Amino acid sequence: GQQLNQSPQSMFIQEGEDVSMNCTSSSIFNTWLWYKQDPGEGPVLLIALYKAGELTSNGRLTAQFGITRKDSFLNISASIPSDVGIYFCAGQLNTGTASKLTFGTGTRLQVTL
Amino acid sequence: EPEVTQTPSHQVTQMGQEVILRCVPISNHLYFYWYRQILGQKVEFLVSFYNNEISEKSEIFDDQFSVERPDGSNFTLKIRSTKLEDSAMYFCASSAQGTRSPLHFGNGTRLTVT
Repeated sequence: GQQLNQSPQSMFIQEGEDVSMNCTSSSIFNTWLWYKQDPGEGPVLLIALYKAGELTSNGRLTAQFGITRKDSFLNISASIPSDVGIYFCAGQLNTGTASKLTFGTGTRLQVTL
Repeated sequence: EPEVTQTPSHQVTQMGQEVILRCVPISNHLYFYWYRQILGQKVEFLVSFYNNEISEKSEIFDDQFSVERPDGSNFTLKIRSTKLEDSAMYFCASSAQGTRSPLHFGNGTRLTVT
């Protein structure tokens, strides 16, 4: 099946620092999404990307859909304590009628004051 | 903002017992999903459901699993005879359309099989 690898697996950063994480796939996707998961909760959508090359921002978050359609990155600027959590990329192939998502392995972000 | 709600938040059951996990998707959404996440691992697709039938299912979704939309608001996942390895967080999700329509997830049901 399709595999999505995220790096880094985990990171400790200082409050105020910028963060960058990425996701690579062995096959192409038509849509890339980035979700954040807090402990005991479900994934919450951060950014959706629908076109190769697309660069989209949501507040301090910026994500890009790689032109090969096999990768995506997420940047967080000026991190704050509430950015702590696990960030998952997810790829969608848009076959059939429903949106089956393949999730990445996750990047655990921890922020130190 | 409308949200997907799941009950119960935690279910403990004995091996071999049947469990039903319940979800109320966002009201105007038409596509419904179940995903699961084994502790410390990534989220995995189980099944998608549209127009009262399964659209797609993964190899995890074997004959022990079934889904149902018994009325206009609920969407359920049944595991007929639970195994230890079914212990996981089960997330329900819904989307307005099938494609180009982000999935919105509930907070999950933690299933513990003893």
